Amino acid sequence: EIVMTQSPATLSVSPGERAILSCRASQSVSSNLAWYQQKPGQAPRLLIYDASTRATGIPARFSGSGSGTEFTLTISSLQSEDFAVYYCQQYNYWYTFGQGTKLEIK
Amino acid sequence: QVQLVESGGGLVKPGGSLRLSCAASGFTLSDHYMSWIRQAPGKGLEWISYISSSGTNIYYVDSVKGRSTISRDIAKNSLYLQLNSLRAEDTAVYYCARGGTTQLKDFDYWGQGTLVTVSS
Repeated sequence: EIVMTQSPATLSVSPGERAILSCRASQSVSSNLAWYQQKPGQAPRLLIYDASTRATGIPARFSGSGSGTEFTLTISSLQSEDFAVYYCQQYNYWYTFGQGTKLEIK
Repeated sequence: QVQLVESGGGLVKPGGSLRLSCAASGFTLSDHYMSWIRQAPGKGLEWISYISSSGTNIYYVDSVKGRSTISRDIAKNSLYLQLNSLRAEDTAVYYCARGGTTQLKDFDYWGQGTLVTVSS
């Protein structure tokens, strides 16, 4: 099983600032990685797939990078609606999710 | 537009069974890999099962293997998950999600989820 580890568990950032979330895979997943956003009481929403491609309708302030075992999700200028929990997920070998990073208002 | 609507959740006693349904619209379910993913209260996401677009490949994670059966009805454009021998640790919101067409991919559409509570 490929283990996905996200850091930090909680990130406190002020609106308008940049947030950087990390995801590490226990072995290479190539670029087969996605990022999701989940707000309370809602289903997850796809943000990024193939490590760096924004999903349909996702604002340009969201960007993904990385390959192999190290990945980053960057939100360039936080808006109020961006405070949520973010999950990474690999689909190189079956599927596994990271444990999530909670992005909270500072 | 693409839509997934789950149903069938509820309160069940330990050892009991449930059949979850996921009705798809706006696309042909059998053209895609379809998965079930669950989320225990206050916890993260756990992928538990998928069925390939061809229907020939099915996979379960160890935590539900032997107790669960994923299936689909092409005529009804629906996905199902039969859960047996339910345990307290199966308590979760269960989501169905759409994957790729020819290989494992991201989940681009999710249902709203259905809550399964296992308790005596």
